[in-house]
Amino acid sequence: QLVLTQSPSASASLGASVKLTCTLSSGHSNYAIAWHQQQPDKGPRYLMTLSSDGSHTKGDGIPDRFSGSSSGAERYLTISSLQSEDEADYYCQTWVPGIRGVFGGGTRLSVL
Amino acid sequence: EVTLVESGGGLVQPGGSLRISCVASGFSFSSNWMHWVRQAPGKGLVWVSRISSDGSRTTYADSVTGRFTISRDNAKNTLYLQMNSLRDEDTAVYYCARVEALELNSWGQGTLVTVSS
Repeated sequence: QLVLTQSPSASASLGASVKLTCTLSSGHSNYAIAWHQQQPDKGPRYLMTLSSDGSHTKGDGIPDRFSGSSSGAERYLTISSLQSEDEADYYCQTWVPGIRGVFGGGTRLSVL
Repeated sequence: EVTLVESGGGLVQPGGSLRISCVASGFSFSSNWMHWVRQAPGKGLVWVSRISSDGSRTTYADSVTGRFTISRDNAKNTLYLQMNSLRDEDTAVYYCARVEALELNSWGQGTLVTVSS
């Protein structure tokens, strides 16, 4: 069964960097994922698509501060030079091919 | 600018029905697959359903199969979700999303559906 696992919370200081992790379940380590950001009381926003080799394609207008990388079954979202507006929930998401979408449980990022 | 605007949410009793809509603008609606994703209060995102660009193919999450029907009217640039036999656990904000290059790359602001007696 395809499952995406995320830590429930993370925190980092203003101006610092943070690395969020999304782990694919066993047997699915070659899957690409997408990262979505959801600021408080807003709809989600697509950030990027991240492949198993670490290559990534960002959505329109996504700052260079957002980047992605991969290692095995893990997919990472790194946010550098943290700003207050980066305080949000971050979701990874992938597809069961031809069938349905799957989301991770989300990570709530606090900017201290 | 791509815009997706959901509407039609509200309070409905358990066992009742509701149809929500999503009006699209700023892109060629008839060229894109569309999806519904929901979020229960204080919880994460959950995929609900998808429909092909011409409306001929649909897929549903197990939790809504047989109760929800996704459809679209390409002449009106509108996506629908007909929800029947509603349950308490269907209470959520419902988002529509556009697929482009295999990704959910545009989202609406959501419409709240509350199922309660």
